[in-house]
Amino acid sequence: EVLLVESGGGLVQPGGSLRLSCAASAFIFSDYYMDWVRQAPGKGLEWVGRIRNKPNSYTTEYAASVKGRFTISRDDSSNSLFLQMNSLKTEDTAVYYCVRDLTGRTDYWGQGTLVTVSS
Amino acid sequence: DIQMTQSPSFLSASVGDRVTITCRASQGIRVDLGWYQQKPGKAPTRLIYATSNLQSGVPSRFSGSGSGTEFTLTISSLQPEDFATYYCLQHYSYPITLGQGTRLEIK
Repeated sequence: EVLLVESGGGLVQPGGSLRLSCAASAFIFSDYYMDWVRQAPGKGLEWVGRIRNKPNSYTTEYAASVKGRFTISRDDSSNSLFLQMNSLKTEDTAVYYCVRDLTGRTDYWGQGTLVTVSS
Repeated sequence: DIQMTQSPSFLSASVGDRVTITCRASQGIRVDLGWYQQKPGKAPTRLIYATSNLQSGVPSRFSGSGSGTEFTLTISSLQPEDFATYYCLQHYSYPITLGQGTRLEIK
């Protein structure tokens, strides 16, 4: 069974940094594009960004709201996805979901990890 | 960016009702659209991919249609487990964007 487990969420002050991780299992991680999606408390879903696979040069795409502050990376050797979040703002407070290929025929989501940006 | 406008934002309906949720794209997106269901405290699950294709395991009372700029999700006969929030998502171009959601509640 495909499993995605996010970790690294927590409380951080505005302007601070946080690194989220996503551990993947039960599929060939290196084959897939991976996405991050977030949801602010009581709000809708927002796509954060994507990293492609090795054949597509690990290129990335980002939402305008996070571009230049967030960086997505991956380590295929450990089946891990990362989201480095810098210069955090209160509006970045959200549950962050790791998603296997949001636009593929079958997508899988993690359970999410909560990031709270507050002083 | 492509804006996805979903309507209605809120829908009250009864078990057995037929309901339709609409998503309009600010520009043509071919059929590059999916529909998601989300229940409180849970991750979303996709119901429909590529506008009209039912995800494996999703009941046949769910259906999707449309192309270009207007898309619909129809639930033919509401069941108690269908009361949730629904989102459309376009992946025709980056950034990937979603509708604001439709909250479906029991009347």
